[in-house]
Amino acid sequence: DVKVTQSSRYLVKRTGEKVFLECVQDMDHENMFWYRQDPGLGLRLIYFSYDVKMKEKGDIPEGYSVSREKKERFSLILESASTNQTSMYLCASRLPGGANVLTFGAGSRLTVL
Amino acid sequence: GQQVMQIPQYQHVQEGEDFTTYCNSSTTLSNIQWYKQRPGGHPVFLIQLVKSGEVKKQKRLTFQFGEAKKNSSLHITATQTTDVGTYFCAVPNMNSGGYQKVTFGTGTKLQVIP
Repeated sequence: DVKVTQSSRYLVKRTGEKVFLECVQDMDHENMFWYRQDPGLGLRLIYFSYDVKMKEKGDIPEGYSVSREKKERFSLILESASTNQTSMYLCASRLPGGANVLTFGAGSRLTVL
Repeated sequence: GQQVMQIPQYQHVQEGEDFTTYCNSSTTLSNIQWYKQRPGGHPVFLIQLVKSGEVKKQKRLTFQFGEAKKNSSLHITATQTTDVGTYFCAVPNMNSGGYQKVTFGTGTKLQVIP
């Protein structure tokens, strides 16, 4: 089974802090995605990556950046956290072609005070 | 950009009643996927529909893709407490850079009253 591991399940940070959310998958998937989930808004795509060193903007990239230095790792960075970035962050990976199924990690719940 | 409307937002049913959630797109879709997220969990893939008018069944769950490939539904017959969770549809579409992304509907949260 594909495993997608998110490094932190719960984080509490202060406004203005730099925040790193890490995601690692163990099945050599090319595609990786970062979503945030908020009540009533579903899952909204922040950034995604089709391969190492590659990144593409999703629907709500403002205030975020990403890094994909190795195929298995996709990091989400909040350069200066703000209270409106308090949310559940979900990482997913996918093997392109075929069924295109997204496999999600357990999520990282971030609270910005 | 791609608009995916999912209704209803919430649904409370008595155990044993049926449940349906609908997903509507503003554009024709190449395929649609459905995911389930249990309370406190993460979304888990259920099924993918590709063909116009396609109907697929998984035990008490029936998934349907519209003839025009712009809408889809998930129907649960005789709900059980294990069906509790949020159901999402997900559709592929392109970002401004020409790369395929996956857009999720807003989800339908199902509560089953024993």
